[in-house]
Amino acid sequence: GIQVEQSPPDLILQEGANSTLRCNFSDSVNNLQWFHQNPWGQLINLFYIPSGTKQNGRLSATTVATERYSLLYISSSQTTDSGVYFCAVGYSGNTPLVFGKGTRLSVIA
Amino acid sequence: SQTIHQWPATLVQPVGSPLSLECTVEGTSNPNLYWYRQAAGRGLQLLFYSVGIGQISSEVPQNLSASRPQDRQFILSSKKLLLSDSGFYLCAWRTSSFYGYTFGSGTRLTVV
Repeated sequence: GIQVEQSPPDLILQEGANSTLRCNFSDSVNNLQWFHQNPWGQLINLFYIPSGTKQNGRLSATTVATERYSLLYISSSQTTDSGVYFCAVGYSGNTPLVFGKGTRLSVIA
Repeated sequence: SQTIHQWPATLVQPVGSPLSLECTVEGTSNPNLYWYRQAAGRGLQLLFYSVGIGQISSEVPQNLSASRPQDRQFILSSKKLLLSDSGFYLCAWRTSSFYGYTFGSGTRLTVV
């Protein structure tokens, strides 16, 4: 099956700093999503981005499908950005998403 | 609008007791439905998924089972819970026309 690797596993930032999270995957996929899991466990969909670049406020994501990686950029980080960021990928059709192990981000004031 | 409901939010159950977790989706028809579990640590493991009423695919053999009695209802069950069943259970859905997943708020299960 698909292998999904996220890096770094843990990241500590000072408030206001920028960061880049990386997701590598082992096969061609038609679905890629980035999620943020908040301290209460809720998984929030950040981006559906099987290819290309998207931006939403301070967050942006880029997926280079041909090279099998995706990047999540967080600019001007805030304490509310803390939590675990997951990358999940899947094939088209009914194949379920496969999750990476996540990057745990802590933003310190 | 489309929403997903999952309950209960937290549950403490003794070893050997039964389990029933329910997930329902509103505002869509014929969704794909998924059960994931997040154990200690942070990885999400797929347990079951369903592409239609009565159709269940199991990813991990264990003492859990799933059922889909109605189009927008997905139930996770166990006859006898084990300590290792403790974890955070998340239900998700997507439609056939859009591959993005939406997750429910989860059930935190502690087996004691």
